[in-house]
This record gives sequence, C-alpha cells and structure tokens, in this order.
Amino acid sequence: QKEVEQDPGPLSVPEGAIVSLNCTYSNSAFQYFMWYRQYSRKGPELLMYTYSSGNKEDGRFTAQVDKSSKYISLFIRDSQPSDSATYLCAMSADNNNDMRFGAGTRLTVKP
Amino acid sequence: AAGVIQSPRHLIKEKRETATLKCYPIPRHDTVYWYQQGPGQDPQFLISFYEKMQSDKGSIPDRFSAQQFSDYHSELNMSSLELGDSALYFCASSLLGATEAFFGQGTRLTVV
Repeated sequence: QKEVEQDPGPLSVPEGAIVSLNCTYSNSAFQYFMWYRQYSRKGPELLMYTYSSGNKEDGRFTAQVDKSSKYISLFIRDSQPSDSATYLCAMSADNNNDMRFGAGTRLTVKP
Repeated sequence: AAGVIQSPRHLIKEKRETATLKCYPIPRHDTVYWYQQGPGQDPQFLISFYEKMQSDKGSIPDRFSAQQFSDYHSELNMSSLELGDSALYFCASSLLGATEAFFGQGTRLTVV
C-alpha cells in the first residue's frame, strides 16, 4: 500500500462547478500538507500548503486537513477552464523535507 | 520573481551513456531536491542536499550520484543509462524548514 493514495480520475466538470480533490495517507508522522498543480509537460507548481489540521483559504482554493482521519482535501470554487491540470497532493513529516506525492488527479473544466 | 532553473530542458542519450542534469535553485534557497517522474507517474523523491551536504536519500539508483556546489546549484550525474531511466527529472528548492518547495520546469531525459 502506498503511503499516499489519490484517485487519479480523470475528473471532468462544467465551468463554475465546485471541485473536490482528496488524498488519504497512512503515515501519521506527516505534518505538512501541500497541493501542487501540474500542467502538461510542466513542473509542479505549489498551490497551497498547510501545517497540521485545519483549513486554509486562498482565493478560489481551500485546503482542508483532517489528521484524525488522515484525509486532506482541496476545494476549487467557481472552476475555470484554466484550472484544467493534474493536481498532486504531497506531504512530509516534521523536519523531513522529502515529500511523498499522491498519484495526481487529472481535472478537466469544460467551458 | 526568479524560479528554479534546470538545464538542459531535453536530453537524448543512448543506453550505457552518462548524463549530467543541472539545477539552479531560487536565490537564497539552501536546500535542493531531485525527483524523477515517469510517464503518468507521480514524482518520486531521489535525493536532497542542504548546505552542500546530502540531507536525505530516496529511491536513487546506485548508478546515479548528485552533489551541491558552493553556489548552491546541484548536479545529478547518471551513468550506465537504461531505457527505464527515461523520465522527467525535476529539481526543487526551498529554505530549510520552510517545507514548501518550488519546482523547476524539469529535464526530459530520453534513453534510446
């Protein structure tokens, strides 16, 4: 079993929809949780990061971490075609900077 | 703002050849990470450096080696290349303890 599980999709939604992306993990040592967006043939781009449990909001993006359930989410409100990309969750333990990535969820937002 | 620079962007090598990938981190970042991403795969951590010393090691094959130089740039040396080494190789940089890492655009290595 992988340390980080993420449904690879693909996920297709109409423009304006609310998108929910999720990851589960097994390593309770993970403290830092990141979401990366990766366009085709490009490097992953950091979108959000959170420490421990809780919510964090940045514009149309909200990241949630539930450490008790080992479950993290990324919500995208008012989704746009430009949000079409692969979204990767990543996490690392305290003082351990090598991140473990999920498989990535491919999202398509249709105009 | 300056980002992580990787060179070359594309590289084609034959089996058993060697390759050197270079990474120039964001200015003032002291930590560099290397990742390998196969087609349709998530990035796999290879190795990281902090202040020119190896700080962590992941699934890096023995045929590969890496180092970080005094100007904080890093090089990934790959020898006896195999077809399975064909992948995107990403470098990321951060400030130690900041955890958020910023990725370069990657080097696409094709071994033929």
